[in-house]
Formats: sequence, C-alpha cells, structure tokens
Amino acid sequence: IQMTQSPSSLSASIGDRVTITCRASEDISEYLNWYQQKPGKAPKLLIFDASTLERGVPSRFSGSGSGTDFSLTISSLQPEDIATYYCQQFDNLYTFGQGTKVEIK
Amino acid sequence: QVQLVQSGGGVVEPGRSLRLSCEASGFSFSAFTMHWVRHNPAKGLEWVALISDDGRTTHYPDSVNGRFTISRDNTKGTKGTLYLQMNSLRPEDTAVYYCVRDDEGFDSWGQGTQVTVSS
Repeated sequence: IQMTQSPSSLSASIGDRVTITCRASEDISEYLNWYQQKPGKAPKLLIFDASTLERGVPSRFSGSGSGTDFSLTISSLQPEDIATYYCQQFDNLYTFGQGTKVEIK
Repeated sequence: QVQLVQSGGGVVEPGRSLRLSCEASGFSFSAFTMHWVRHNPAKGLEWVALISDDGRTTHYPDSVNGRFTISRDNTKGTKGTLYLQMNSLRPEDTAVYYCVRDDEGFDSWGQGTQVTVSS
C-alpha cells in the first residue's frame, strides 16, 4: 500500500490553521496513524486510528478521514510544532508517507 | 516509565553483518509486539521488521526480507531485549535505526542508533 502526503513542505505563520493530507493507494478503513519528528529526535505518536488523540498530545492537533483520504490539522500553529509529520498505514503491514516538513513563515 | 535503550550500530563495509540490541524496561515486555523502524533523511521513515509478543511471528518488507532477522528475549520477567541481525548490508541500509513498542500505534521509541554502510 502506497501512502502519498501533500504538501511535501509548507510555511505558515504562528497561529495559522495548518492541514496536511495523506492518501492511501487502496482502502485502509481507519488503520492510519500520524507521527511528528523533530530533527535528531525519535518520532512521536500524535494520532492513532485516524482520529484518536494520543495521551498528552495538545488538543490543537486533530485527525480525520477514512478509506483512502485522511488529514492532520493543527488548529493554531505554535513554534514547537516545527517538525516533519508522517502518516502511517497499518492495514497491510506498515507503510509511511514521505513526510511533510512544517516551517514558520 | 517505558525505556528502550539501544546499542550496536556503527560503520560497516558492504556485505558485512551487524547486530542491534534494544533493552526494554518499565513495562511488561512480553505482552507487546515490537518493531524496528529506520530513518534516512533522503527517504524518510521505513518500517523494517515486526515480531509478535511471543516471538513466534515475524514480518519484513521486501527491502530487507532474507537479509535481516528480528528476535527477542522474553525470559527476563517484565524486562526484555529486542534484537535485529542485519546481514549482507548494502549502502542503502544506511540510516538511524529505532526499536519501537506497538501499543495502539508506535507509541514508544528508542533513542536511535546510526548504521552506516560504506567502503
């Protein structure tokens, strides 16, 4: 299963609403997770099962979608959100998207 | 708290072997499926191997199948060790490797260890 994220990178201002999309090459129901990775650090689980917020993750992060189309939204971008974000399907083994790098404008 | 402490890694020539280890503590190790995931800045994240909680089931992507072997030691009570034996290494295996716990997502990650395959 191929996972395609868009955009590959984005630049936004503090306080902006940011949306990242992820498309699966076939129906994966809600078998999708989202991760945040900062430079030199291990990835961090943000959202599991497409829309469930992991414990301790700020509520400005949210996930939605099912089937083949999914999105991760940051409702109000904060400086600490600068990172690369990855989607991951687990319907058939595991595949990550290519990543979306979020920068501050 | 959950701790995954990795060791191993380094620089190795193409065709050689390397073994990574991951010492787990702070949770009931034998109750969880575990994985290895690698990160290459140019390629992003790639899942490398899975092993079931009891060690009886393993899976690999085509890119490493037949060259890498995941295993685990569940005999230390609540603690445990995860291994990744990497044979016939190729330059494209160069990456930071992470051991990962699977609990409704890849919820806990080791600190990562660099593997560089180069002559």
